[in-house]
Amino acid sequence: EAGVAQSPRYKIIEKRQSVAFWCNPISGHATLYWYQQILGQGPKLLIQFQNNGVVDDSQLPKDRFSAERLKGVDSTLKIQPAKLEDSAVYLCASSSDTGISGSEAFFGQGTRLTVV
Amino acid sequence: AQSVAQPEDQVNVAEGNPLTVKCTYSVSGNPYLFWYVQYPNRGLQFLLKYITGDNLVKGSYGFEAEFNKSQTSFHLKKPSALVSDSALYFCAVRERGYQKVTFGTGTKLQVIP
Repeated sequence: EAGVAQSPRYKIIEKRQSVAFWCNPISGHATLYWYQQILGQGPKLLIQFQNNGVVDDSQLPKDRFSAERLKGVDSTLKIQPAKLEDSAVYLCASSSDTGISGSEAFFGQGTRLTVV
Repeated sequence: AQSVAQPEDQVNVAEGNPLTVKCTYSVSGNPYLFWYVQYPNRGLQFLLKYITGDNLVKGSYGFEAEFNKSQTSFHLKKPSALVSDSALYFCAVRERGYQKVTFGTGTKLQVIP
C-alpha cells in the first residue's frame, strides 16, 4: 500500500513569511497527526485529527499555526508568520486507530523547514 | 499526564554484541507502548508494539522488547547488533482509552564495526 505522502520535502523561508505543508495519509486511515521535530529532540504532537474533527491541539501555537483536514482525508498545516524557532522537521503520520485498538502510526518522510 | 523517558542519549555497542535501548514510561492507567526507528533524513518507522498479553514482544529486523509493569519499563533489545542498526530510536506511550501518543527524546544507537 502507498505510504504517507508529504510535500514539500524542504522549504526555506524568511521570518515573518508564511508557509504551508501538505499531507496525504494512507487510504482509509481515520487518524492523522502533525508532529514537530526539532533537531535533537523527539517528535512533539501539534495536532491530531480523527476523520475531520480535532482530537488534540493542546500544543499547537494557535496564534501562528493552523491546520485543517477537509473531508477527513488530506491535511494542510500552515504557519503565519514564521519565527526562527519554527525551524524543524514537520512530520505527518496516520493510523487506523480510533482510540481502542492500539494501532501504530505510519509516518511520512517529513518536511524540513528552515526559517532565516 | 503520560510521559516517556529514554535515559541514554547515545548507546554504543560492538557489532555482534547484544544491544539494549532503555525506556521507562508513566501513565495513569494501562499503556500501549511502541518503538520506532529513524534513519537520517527519513520519517519514523514502526518496529514493534505492546498491546496486551505476552510481555516479550518481537518486531521487525530481529528486535524485541520486554514489557515490565512493575518497573514501568519497555526496553528494546537485539541479540546481535548490526552496523545497519545504527539509527535514532524512539519509545512512545499511549494510555488505553485515550488517543494522544507521547514520544521520548530518542536514543542514538551507534554500532561499531
